[in-house]
Amino acid sequence: GAVVSQHPSWVICKSGTSVKIECRSLDFQATTMFWYRQFPKQSLMLMATSNEGSKATYEQGVEKDKFLINHASLTLSTLTVTSAHPEDSSFYICSAPGLIYSNQPQHFGDGTRLSIL
Amino acid sequence: QKEVEQNSGPLSVPEGAIASLNCTYSDRGSQSFFWYRQYSGKSPELIMSIYSNGDKEDGRFTAQLNKASQYVSLLIRDSQPSDSATYLCAVLPAGGSEKLVFGKGTKLTVNP
Repeated sequence: GAVVSQHPSWVICKSGTSVKIECRSLDFQATTMFWYRQFPKQSLMLMATSNEGSKATYEQGVEKDKFLINHASLTLSTLTVTSAHPEDSSFYICSAPGLIYSNQPQHFGDGTRLSIL
Repeated sequence: QKEVEQNSGPLSVPEGAIASLNCTYSDRGSQSFFWYRQYSGKSPELIMSIYSNGDKEDGRFTAQLNKASQYVSLLIRDSQPSDSATYLCAVLPAGGSEKLVFGKGTKLTVNP
C-alpha cells in the first residue's frame, strides 16, 4: 500500500490564488521530504528538500518566497504555491526517503495536478 | 552539474518485441541506479534498481550497468501494450545524498 499520501490530487483555481499541497508519511517518520515539479513531457525537477524543524533547502532557480515549504511534524510536509499564475501550472510530486526494508530510494506520493486559470 | 541523459524518443516497438532503453550519467562516483516507469498523469513507479556492473534480471526486465562507460540500460522482453509509458532513468550521486537525479525520460509505445 501507499506509504506517502499526497493531497489534493487535482486543483483548479484562479490566478492569484495561493494553493497548499500536503504530503504525509503513513506509519513512519520522515525528517526529510522532497518536492518535485514536472511540466508536460519533461522530467521530474527537484524543487526543494524539506527538513523537519528547520528551513527547507531550495534548488537553484526556485523562488523561496513563491514556493513556501513547511515541515512542521515528522509526518507532514506542505508546499504552498503563493499567488499562483498560469505558468505555475504543473504536476507537483512529493516523496520521502526510502525505508530501509523497502529497497526503494524514495517513496513517491501520487502527485498533485495544479491548473491555474 | 550532475546530469543524466536519455533519448527522449518516442520509441515504438511491436508487441512481443524487445524494447531497449538507454541512459548515461555524468557523476562517475555514482553507485545506485534506478529505472522508473511513469504512466501519464501518475507518479513514477520503481521497476528496477542496479548497483553493480553487469546484468540484473527481474521477469521481463533486465537492467544493465557499465560503470566504466557510465551507461545504464533497460531491456523489456516480450513487450506488451501495457508497457507503454515513459521510462525514467535515475541516479543517486556519490556522497551519500538522498537526492535522485532524473533523466528526461524515454516515451515507449508498444503497438498491438
